[in-house]
Order: sequence, then C-alpha cells, then structure tokens
Amino acid sequence: TQLLEQSPQFLSIQEGENLTVYCNSSSVFSSLQWYRQEPGEGPVLLVTVVTGGEVKKLKRLTFQFGDARKDSSLHITAAQPGDTGLYLCAGGNGGSQGNLIFGKGTKLSVKP
Amino acid sequence: KAGVTQTPRYLIKTRGQQVTLSCSPISGHRSVSWYQQTPGQGLQFLFEYFSETQRNKGNFPGRFSGRQFSNSRSEMNVSTLELGDSALYLCASSFPSLGGYEQYFGPGTRLTVT
Repeated sequence: TQLLEQSPQFLSIQEGENLTVYCNSSSVFSSLQWYRQEPGEGPVLLVTVVTGGEVKKLKRLTFQFGDARKDSSLHITAAQPGDTGLYLCAGGNGGSQGNLIFGKGTKLSVKP
Repeated sequence: KAGVTQTPRYLIKTRGQQVTLSCSPISGHRSVSWYQQTPGQGLQFLFEYFSETQRNKGNFPGRFSGRQFSNSRSEMNVSTLELGDSALYLCASSFPSLGGYEQYFGPGTRLTVT
C-alpha cells in the first residue's frame, strides 16, 4: 500500500515568515501534485512535478520533487494571510491509474 | 472552460436511506474520480470511471457504487447510509499528462447522516 506522510500537520505563523512543508513516502511515484484547499471547497491544483530533482516556482511558492521521486517539499517565502489553507500532496502512478494517493495535509494559518 | 460541478452542495439524510450525488466534469475530460474526505482519514479514493467503465476502485464497501454516462457525467450512490458516511464527497475530472493524471476537483457535496 502506498502512503504519503505530510509534516507538519499544523503550522501557525506570522505574516512575512518562511515555511516548508514536507511530503514523504517509501514508494516511488510517477508524479506528485500539490493542492490547496479552503474550508468547504474542493482542492485546487497548484503544481505537478514529474522528474526527479525537479524544482518549480509559482510566485512565492517553490516546489521540489526528490531525486528518487519518493518525496517532495513546498516552500513558501514571506507568507501572507491569503496563503492560509490546507495544503495537500498527492502521488500519481500514471498510465491507467487514474487515482491519486493523498497525504493527510498540512493546515497552514498565517496571521497578519 | 467551466470547472467541475457537483450537485447538490449540501445534503442531510437519515441512517438507512440512500443518496445519489452528481458530477459534471470539465468538457473534454473523460476520467472522473470520486473521493471521500473526512477530518480523520483525509481524502480517500472511492473509484474512477473512464469511458463509462469503472477502471479503479478503492477500499470501500459495496454500498458505495457509481456510474458514468456517455457524456462523461458521473453519479455515485450510497445505499443504507451509516453515520460514518458523513463526509465531504469530492469529484475530480482529469486528463492524462506526462507521468500521471492532473485532477481538477469540484466543490464537493457535504453529506450529513443523522
């Protein structure tokens, strides 16, 4: 059974601070997606990484896929209150495997 | 492009009843997946439909079923509802991309079983 462990589970920081969220597995994934979810809404796709060692940037967010494609990290620089939400990582296996394996998420709160 | 739509958004049912939830995927997407989200378990995969066929199935009892129509719209049904079925049910549509499937989620249906 493939599992994704996310840490930390909860994070409360002040506006302007930096933070990193981790997503780890003992399994290899073809791709890794990061989503952000706000209360009462569905997850919104932020990024997909597919190559070991790949780094993608989305404004103040930096995503990295581990060399072995078993782990990933999300780094936010100068967090803002609008970054508040539940961050989810999800691993995909490609091909005909149309389902994703989700981590349980990191609940981020950024206080002004 | 219109996003994934789910109806209804909220539903309250009584134990023992059954419920049907509906999902309309993004135009052109042929794969529809369903997930159950609860505070304790997070997002858990229920099943995936592709071209009207169930292609993958998660570890849920047979009370949970689904189907997909020729226009890719999908429905999921839960029979004999239990209190533990209270959850946010999310539908996601996807298209294949390099290395995997990028899934786009609807807003979910919040089901409360009393």
